[in-house]
Amino acid sequence: DQQVKQNSPSLSVQEGRISILNCDYTNSMFDYFLWYKKYPAEGPTFLISISSIKDKNEDGRFTVFLNKSAKHLSLHIVPSQPGDSAVYFCAAIVRISGNTPLVFGKGTRLSVIA
Amino acid sequence: DGGITQSPKYLFRKEGQNVTLSCEQNLNHDAMYWYRQDPGQGLRLIYYSQIVNDFQKGDIAEGYSVSREKKESFPLTVTSAQKNPTAFYLCASSTLRVGNSPLHFGNGTRLTVT
Repeated sequence: DQQVKQNSPSLSVQEGRISILNCDYTNSMFDYFLWYKKYPAEGPTFLISISSIKDKNEDGRFTVFLNKSAKHLSLHIVPSQPGDSAVYFCAAIVRISGNTPLVFGKGTRLSVIA
Repeated sequence: DGGITQSPKYLFRKEGQNVTLSCEQNLNHDAMYWYRQDPGQGLRLIYYSQIVNDFQKGDIAEGYSVSREKKESFPLTVTSAQKNPTAFYLCASSTLRVGNSPLHFGNGTRLTVT
């Protein structure tokens, strides 16, 4: 049973426009959410996170929105740049219960077209 | 520079042979993890360890074994019992509270078994 779902395997966006990547989760105990970015043949790198006590966190061009009632979060990238082309993984954890491992979604491949 | 080193980058083995993937970290992290990435499958947890000489199975531990004799090292052995060993393997580490320090990943080892 997938606890973290990224239902769009891929997304194409024009350079300069907004990219919106979506993630849904089923475990209401998750209290911390992270986004990772991964280039081919490299390890994922941490991008941005959000605690369940917040509904928005912003870092430069990247903003994550959390809708707890819908069990949904999204990553907005604006403006999108060709270097943003990568696979983006959504991840979640029940932080309050200790160091349980992160649960990852299957990823969304973003292509930013110049 | 602190980080996680996985070696080798590419590994080729014949079917029926065991193979060990190396993972070393100098971040002084207590927890270490092994994930496997397959196309369209995201990151799936194989094993993790929160303390030396202790480790737990993840979601897909069958056919794999690990050891944690030193804090810095968490080698993964892919045994001949693993039915589909060809994959991209990622090692990661974190502090015991993931929320305080997101998972740091190595650059992966691509294992091909023929």
